[in-house]
Amino acid sequence: EAGVAQSPRYKIIEKRQSVAFWCNPISGHATLYWYQQILGQGPKLLIQFQNNGVVDDSQLPKDRFSAERLKGVDSTLKIQPAKLEDSAVYLCASSHGRAGEQYFGPGTRLTVT
Amino acid sequence: GQQLNQSPQSMFIQEGEDVSMNCTSSSIFNTWLWYKQDPGEGPVLLIALYKAGELTSNGRLTAQFGITRKDSFLNISASIPSDVGIYFCAGQEFMDSNYQLIWGAGTKLIIKP
Repeated sequence: EAGVAQSPRYKIIEKRQSVAFWCNPISGHATLYWYQQILGQGPKLLIQFQNNGVVDDSQLPKDRFSAERLKGVDSTLKIQPAKLEDSAVYLCASSHGRAGEQYFGPGTRLTVT
Repeated sequence: GQQLNQSPQSMFIQEGEDVSMNCTSSSIFNTWLWYKQDPGEGPVLLIALYKAGELTSNGRLTAQFGITRKDSFLNISASIPSDVGIYFCAGQEFMDSNYQLIWGAGTKLIIKP
């Protein structure tokens, strides 16, 4: 079974530029999550999708972050414009059934200069 | 909101030693999970616990769901070099009509050469 795929793995941009991340969850997993992980901390949930609907985006900075999951399969997360404090690893995860049992992709390491 | 305290923050151990780490919360959880994250990768689920008092093993790893439902423990027996990494606990709560994971800050395991 293929795991969660993410791209790119690394991205370096200047502040005020925009960036987009892509995620393809495990086949058949209805729930998809985007997390932000700052060095030395646990993952912080940004947004959760159930199929193509948003379940929770309470911690998503909506003035600059957006996400979509068209057709209920893969998803993109966008930041526009980026700030220095957005430097982090962006993790995508998916789950099927029990919400706690999440399967993570390798993440995208974003550096904003 | 709920807070998770994970300790210790880091551990330096000799190969072959046993390891113990724990998480405590201010409120009760219905599910406790333990994940491990290697450098440059996303977290990987090690053990999931669904019932107070439950003791579950996965190879050399053993985790327990505290009887008060406010804590959980992870033990690693006879550590080996590949155990190096960051271990995260996560508790699942039902909030705002949705199951959410609350993450600890991680325990970094380092094996002394």
